[in-house]
Amino acid sequence: NAGVTQTPKFRVLKTGQSMTLLCAQDMNHEYMYWYRQDPGMGLRLIHYSVGEGTTAKGEVPDGYNVSRLKKQNFLLGLESAAPSQTSVYFCASSFFGGGGGHNEQFFGPGTRLTVL
Amino acid sequence: RKEVEQDPGPFNVPEGATVAFNCTYSNSASQSFFWYRQDCRKEPKLLMSVYSSGNEDGRFTAQLNRASQYISLLIRDSKLSDSATYLCVVNFNKFYFGSGTKLNVKP
Repeated sequence: NAGVTQTPKFRVLKTGQSMTLLCAQDMNHEYMYWYRQDPGMGLRLIHYSVGEGTTAKGEVPDGYNVSRLKKQNFLLGLESAAPSQTSVYFCASSFFGGGGGHNEQFFGPGTRLTVL
Repeated sequence: RKEVEQDPGPFNVPEGATVAFNCTYSNSASQSFFWYRQDCRKEPKLLMSVYSSGNEDGRFTAQLNRASQYISLLIRDSKLSDSATYLCVVNFNKFYFGSGTKLNVKP
């Protein structure tokens, strides 16, 4: 099993450009998440999905869109990149998302994005 | 007030030392608790879940104190390879991450 994979690993954008980050998991997890992590700060939830075809906003959704057309994939889009979106982006997945068992999150290796 | 708070450290300890971290959470209805480890510029990796009765995995012991709303992580016989940032994670409908506690284990 590959677990959670993310592409690309690195990207440099100019202000105003768009891009899509791809997250894929092969663990048949229902829940998927996109986080960003900035220096000295904890992980902040951007958007998440509780199943194929569903998405919801997290803590910092502005400037991002997501789609979950297939259970195993979760895409994060930046329509018009801004320097404030320079960050490390992590995707994660879990079997469940609630307070019961089997809700541990597994993370992908991250995408390092710089917006100039 | 943040949902999850941790001392950022760093904790600088010699090899072989015992070190403990605490993490406090604000929502008394929180249901799941975890410790993750994050190495520099890498993804967080699950270290251990924290169960109500406390649990141990080798040199690592996790405790939950619901009355005082904190969880703890104890590392015995610290190794150089334990140097990392330790993230406290609490679940109440959503996952809430602490900012992490940095541990440096010195030779």
